Amino acid sequence: GAVVSQHPSWVICKSGTSVKIECRSLDFQATTMFWYRQFPKQSLMLMATSNEGSKATYEQGVEKDKFLINHASLTLSTLTVTSAHPEDSSFYICSALLQGRQETQYFGPGTRLLVL
Amino acid sequence: GENVEQHPSTLSVQEGDSAVIKCTYSDSASNYFPWYKQELGKRPQLIIDIRSNVGEKKDQRIAVTLNKTAKHFSLHITETQPEDSAVYFCAASFPGKSTFGDGTTLTVKP
Repeated sequence: GAVVSQHPSWVICKSGTSVKIECRSLDFQATTMFWYRQFPKQSLMLMATSNEGSKATYEQGVEKDKFLINHASLTLSTLTVTSAHPEDSSFYICSALLQGRQETQYFGPGTRLLVL
Repeated sequence: GENVEQHPSTLSVQEGDSAVIKCTYSDSASNYFPWYKQELGKRPQLIIDIRSNVGEKKDQRIAVTLNKTAKHFSLHITETQPEDSAVYFCAASFPGKSTFGDGTTLTVKP
């Protein structure tokens, strides 16, 4: 159980376009999801916490108008990279919080974004 | 906020040897400490976790110890195998938030 999917797994786009990434919890409901960015050989950098039915909480230094997050249902959160530029190229990973005794995060497979 | 330090950043061991990765945290409110394994290009996978009311937990070749007073916890892998090669992340968590260490790249040489 506790499977999280992400779509797409790979995206290549031109500079200036917007890209939407979906994160779904397939077999459980997630009131909280997280979005991370990971650079090669580096750790997971938390971008924002997505709460179902409310506004996302962004970490310091992350532009909320640049990275739009919507958590419209208990199984889906989306991250939209608006007007993407080459410096936005990265590996984006979401996770969903499995509520219960252990507060475990389950990660999606990640989306690799390349902006040309 | 919480600050997690993880050491070493790289670790190379011979197959069959043990590997130990250590993390320290700063916020005494953290009460849940998971460890994740991430293979190249893949998602982090939870391999073991421990709560603050427990000092040690073991699952086959993997064990985690927690010293709440000193605010440090460690991952121990015994009888390492080449397939253990990956990046390992520790995290310190309290409800709703996790802070990750910078990761340890473990290489197990056959």
